[in-house]
Amino acid sequence: SQQGEEDPQALSIQEGENATMNCSYKTSINNLQWYRQNSGRGLVHLILIRSNEREKHSGRLRVTLDTSKKSSSLLITASRAADTASYFCATEPFYNNNDMRFGAGTRLTVKP
Amino acid sequence: DAGVTQSPTHLIKTRGQQVTLRCSPKSGHDTVSWYQQALGQGPQFIFQYYEEEERQRGNFPDRFSGHQFPNYSSELNVNALLLGDSALYLCASTLVDGELFFGEGSRLTVL
Repeated sequence: SQQGEEDPQALSIQEGENATMNCSYKTSINNLQWYRQNSGRGLVHLILIRSNEREKHSGRLRVTLDTSKKSSSLLITASRAADTASYFCATEPFYNNNDMRFGAGTRLTVKP
Repeated sequence: DAGVTQSPTHLIKTRGQQVTLRCSPKSGHDTVSWYQQALGQGPQFIFQYYEEEERQRGNFPDRFSGHQFPNYSSELNVNALLLGDSALYLCASTLVDGELFFGEGSRLTVL
């Protein structure tokens, strides 16, 4: 069963704008990760944030984690057409660190 | 350094048939997980292999089985195929820190 839920399901923006995607989850976690998937291909790891961290940056990516609300957000700044992809959050449950559970994803379209 | 490789990339089967999908993990990785991704959905965890044993299993029937070999490569077998088994099957390898490295997937179509 899926653990995370991304919001919105789809997002369309112009190049240069910022994109924000949200993820909510249900159980306590060890860490939360964001992945990107170009159409029908394998997923690529973007960033991992641990349960004791509140914010993390990687290039144009900024991830926040609020464990009290069981939610995370991914911000992509100064978006490019090449950022067009599906973005998934994945959680490693606190009770079981042997599997990652993915949400249904946010489909981001960046128009040139 | 080769990443995760999967084969075949595409295949077509008919209902009732059996299929075997293969995965070679990233060099140095000893843990392999399999995921099923239906069109428009997120990946669903099938199972994970470590030290040639199934360590964890998701909510999939016994028709889905797997194997891990001493060189850490892995196979996913699906018996008695149903139309609903049509999906992208993803293999991912990892070390202890939890970051998953995915292959490009095997797209299975069941007719």
